[in-house]
This record gives sequence, C-alpha cells and structure tokens, in this order.
Amino acid sequence: AQSVAQPEDQVNVAEGNPLTVKCTYSVSGNPYLFWYVQYPNRGLQFLLKYITGDNLVKGSYGFEAEFNKSQTSFHLKKPSALVSDSALYFCAVRGSGNTGKLIFGQGTTLQVKP
Amino acid sequence: DAGVIQSPRHEVTEMGQEVTLRCKPISGHNSLFWYRQTMMRGLELLIYFNNNVPIDDSGMPEDRFSAKMPNASFSTLKIQPSEPRDSAVYFCASGPQGAYGTDTQYFGPGTRLTVL
Repeated sequence: AQSVAQPEDQVNVAEGNPLTVKCTYSVSGNPYLFWYVQYPNRGLQFLLKYITGDNLVKGSYGFEAEFNKSQTSFHLKKPSALVSDSALYFCAVRGSGNTGKLIFGQGTTLQVKP
Repeated sequence: DAGVIQSPRHEVTEMGQEVTLRCKPISGHNSLFWYRQTMMRGLELLIYFNNNVPIDDSGMPEDRFSAKMPNASFSTLKIQPSEPRDSAVYFCASGPQGAYGTDTQYFGPGTRLTVL
C-alpha cells in the first residue's frame, strides 16, 4: 500500500536560514512525488514534482527537493527562508504502477520568524 | 485563467439538511477530484472522475455522500442528510488527462462546511 509520512508537525526557522521539511514514502514501483503548499484559507498550490531524471528538483518560489531512492525520502528545501514562506506543506506520492489516488501526508506547518 | 471554481465558499447548515457543493474545473482538464480536509484526518480523497466517469469512489464515507459530473465543466458533491461530523473544508481539484499519473492537480479555494 502507498503511504507518505511527514514526521514533523511543525518546523520553525529564522528568516534567512535554510529550511528543510521532511518526507518519506512507501510505494510499489517507481514513485511520483509532489510537494504542495497551503496558505491560510486557500487551496493547495503545486510547488514541484519528481517523476524521473535528476534527483534534485527545482520548483516555485525558490524551493527544491531531493529524491533519495535508498532512503525513500523527498525532503523539501530552501536555502534562505522568508517570513512569507510560512504555511502548511504537504508531500504526496503515487506509485507508477497505480492509476488513481495521490496519497497526501498529514502536512507540516512551517513557521518562519523574522 | 480562472482556475478551479468552487461554490459556495462557506456553508452553514443544520443537521439533517441537504448540502450541495459545486465545482467548475479548469477548461480542458479531464480529471476531477473531491477532497475533504479536517484537523483529525488531514486531506482525504473522496472520489475522482476521469472524462466525467467516476473511477474510484472508495473514499466516499457513506451513502449520505454522492457526487456527480454531468459534463466536463461541472461537478457536485451532495450530502444528504448532513451531520455535524461532516463539518470540514471540501476541495475540488482538476488535472489534465493523466492527472492520476504524473500530472499536477490544481486545487480550488475550498468550501468550508459547518453543520450545526
């Protein structure tokens, strides 16, 4: 069965510091991995995805994520955090052999303090 | 590009009443998804359609919930009768053909439902 775990409910970081939001997954077959961001009272917005190819994926707003097959991880990163990055971040996974559900993690709240 | 449109944005109703949530997907998208978000359960997929046909409704909680997609530009999620535990934010998302594969899903702003 497909699953995705975001081990941290909240991540706190100072503005200007690097940030990491963690995600690990379990799927059969090759994974398709996604990161979405949700601002208060808004729908989810797509940030980036990994389908195949280079393990380092670059996305919107300066975010990037690194696919690590051996560790089954897809951590979201940004070199320098902004206060405006404060939001709820979701990792999601779908197995390549599956048609259908995109499984979302529980979400990680990122709090960037000035 | 208007994005995914959902209505109403907020709905407050009393237990036992029928509730209908509406969604207009992005033009040209072939896949449509209904999600429910709560603090306790996070983001759950209720049902998804491809080319107006329901593909997987295993996430629909019970018979009180039903969803339809009569055409490519409109979908409804109905709860009858509603119960307080149905209170949640309901999101509609759409995607291009293959959105249940490698493509991105695009989310609407959500409908916040409160059942008293």
